[in-house]
Amino acid sequence: DAKTTQPNSMESNEEEPVHLPCNHSTISGTDYIHWYRQLPSQGPEYVIHGLTSNVNNRMASLAIAEDRKSSTLILHRATLRDAAVYYCILRDVVGAGNMLTFGGGTRLMVKP
Amino acid sequence: GAGVSQTPSNKVTEKGKYVELRCDPISGHTALYWYRQSLGQGPEFLIYFQGTGAADDSGLPNDRFFAVRPEGSVSTLKIQRTERGDSAVYLCASSLQSGIDTQYFGPGTRLTVL
Repeated sequence: DAKTTQPNSMESNEEEPVHLPCNHSTISGTDYIHWYRQLPSQGPEYVIHGLTSNVNNRMASLAIAEDRKSSTLILHRATLRDAAVYYCILRDVVGAGNMLTFGGGTRLMVKP
Repeated sequence: GAGVSQTPSNKVTEKGKYVELRCDPISGHTALYWYRQSLGQGPEFLIYFQGTGAADDSGLPNDRFFAVRPEGSVSTLKIQRTERGDSAVYLCASSLQSGIDTQYFGPGTRLTVL
């Protein structure tokens, strides 16, 4: 399975933008890039996903490199409630697995 | 609407005992997943149901672990002869269909084996 690499942790100030990077150099043409996050003492929750084009929703934006070997999750104005572990996950629309394969994720700390 | 619920929220048991963990998925969701999360790590896949059948149980660590979903809705994860290494948060998720549909997670059951 194609793997992702993320920094272990990042820090941000409240109300500033946050850019969370993810490297996936072995991504295949049928892999979608998904982001989930896990707030303290909760189960993971879906954030956003994309294939080739940049995507926006009410929670975040996803910027995908032209060669698709990396992507960036963008929180436009971080709040204290955005402090969580963010997971970048590749999901193959054609492949055998339906499960999510989580790595270590990036722990985002937001300072007031 | 109601999300995924899991009971109990916490379970403390003694080594060697049998435990059952319950998951109520979102109504109408055909796919159901169990994951296990150890402290400081990301969740790890255990088993996936499509309807009533286990479509993929490759993540179950050994034959002490078993899961059922007899009516295609509620699922129960069963652990026999618990060991201290089974201590973890057990997460359940459901999705409308399988494939790459969004998975919605419950809050988890924290299992502690003494």
